[in-house]
Amino acid sequence: AQTVTQSQPEMSVQEAETVTLSCTYDTSENNYYLFWYKQPPSRQMILVIRQEAYKQQNATENRFSVNFQKAAKSFSLKISDSQLGDTAMYFCAFMFLLGQGGSEKLVFGKGTKLTVNP
Amino acid sequence: DTGVSQNPRHKITKRGQNVTFRCDPISEHNRLYWYRQTLGQGPEFLTYFQNEAQLEKSRLLSDRFSAERPKGSFSTLEIQRTEQGDSAMYLCASSRAGASNQPQHFGDGTRLSIL
Repeated sequence: AQTVTQSQPEMSVQEAETVTLSCTYDTSENNYYLFWYKQPPSRQMILVIRQEAYKQQNATENRFSVNFQKAAKSFSLKISDSQLGDTAMYFCAFMFLLGQGGSEKLVFGKGTKLTVNP
Repeated sequence: DTGVSQNPRHKITKRGQNVTFRCDPISEHNRLYWYRQTLGQGPEFLTYFQNEAQLEKSRLLSDRFSAERPKGSFSTLEIQRTEQGDSAMYLCASSRAGASNQPQHFGDGTRLSIL
């Protein structure tokens, strides 16, 4: 079974600083995808960034970047120049294909609550 | 793109009652997912539809739970004889079939509270 572990239940950072959220996963699959989702308080979950396992280059989206270490099964999220609006729960998620045309269900970690302080 | 819509936003009911939630996916998305999220946890997969076919069900989905997507558009999730442990946020997500990295788009969820 696939599992996703986020070892930091809560983190805080000062506005404009950089913070890194950790995520490790366990799988025997070789072809899979990794995601970071953001869930602000009482608001819907939105995709922050995604990484295909077959790509060695780390994904970046503006202030968000990942450090993907496939051998170590590690997928951390770096947020640069933190903003107050980054305050949210951040979920690391894993997805693999169940055969051609099969389900692409997400397996989530328990989340990290990030607070950006002014 | 009007986003994934879920109704109601909140549902409070007494233990033993039946409840039904509705999800309207993004119009061109043929894949629809239901997840359950309890306090302090990440979402857990419940079930998945491709068009009107329910292709996968989690063992979390007991026989008191049933989901339908009759015309391949909106979906309903019904819980019969609700129990205290059913209290949670029920999330719906949709995606487009095709390239495997199509992201799932989530709705705001329906928060269920069992008295």
